[in-house]
Amino acid sequence: DAGITQSPRHKVTETGTPVTLRCHQTENHRYMYWYRQDPGHGLRLIHYSYGVKDTDKGEVSDGYSVSRSKTEDFLLTLESATSSQTSVYFCAISGLENTEAFFGQGTRLTVV
Amino acid sequence: AQSVTQLGSHVSVSEGALVLLRCNYSSSVPPYLFWYVQYPNQGLQLLLKYTSAATLVKGINGFEAEFKKSETSFHLTKPSAHMSDAAEYFCAVSDRNFNKFYFGSGTKLNVKP
Repeated sequence: DAGITQSPRHKVTETGTPVTLRCHQTENHRYMYWYRQDPGHGLRLIHYSYGVKDTDKGEVSDGYSVSRSKTEDFLLTLESATSSQTSVYFCAISGLENTEAFFGQGTRLTVV
Repeated sequence: AQSVTQLGSHVSVSEGALVLLRCNYSSSVPPYLFWYVQYPNQGLQLLLKYTSAATLVKGINGFEAEFKKSETSFHLTKPSAHMSDAAEYFCAVSDRNFNKFYFGSGTKLNVKP
């Protein structure tokens, strides 16, 4: 398995609070991604990174921000959590030598 | 722009029967195509990938898929379903220029005894 660790694995938070999810990789891969998974929608790209401090928006970026200060860490922040952000969040990585993405185990976030 | 359409959110087959999961894609550049499988409460695992070599691609667990450019399709098949194949399957397309991955909405495969 690719060395990807997501933390926390589960979180319950209140509406309006900020939340940060962490993705840590040990593969030294260039590309990192945050997806959300919702029934009927598959996986939708929130943000992705193509290098340290280099990030770009995905399909569903509103209400989310990201940061990547080191190759191994990619943080996803919900600036003010809403119930519509209740979802399962997946981090993925990919390298220049790969064509596919490798996925973490996911973080289940519930906003109440 | 890239997009993926998976026909059928739920597919049910009997054990030993043919599995056929459909995927059509849209891409402005020659695509990379993938099938992933997800078991309950787990991440996604790569089943197989097409990267412009052979159009018939073989993957793990007896699955295979055929890239048909004229039909913009990449359907997943397995000759004989096993109970352990019950899972959700996702088709994905990659923009090879930017390494972004776009996923279909998924197909849940149920295998009946």
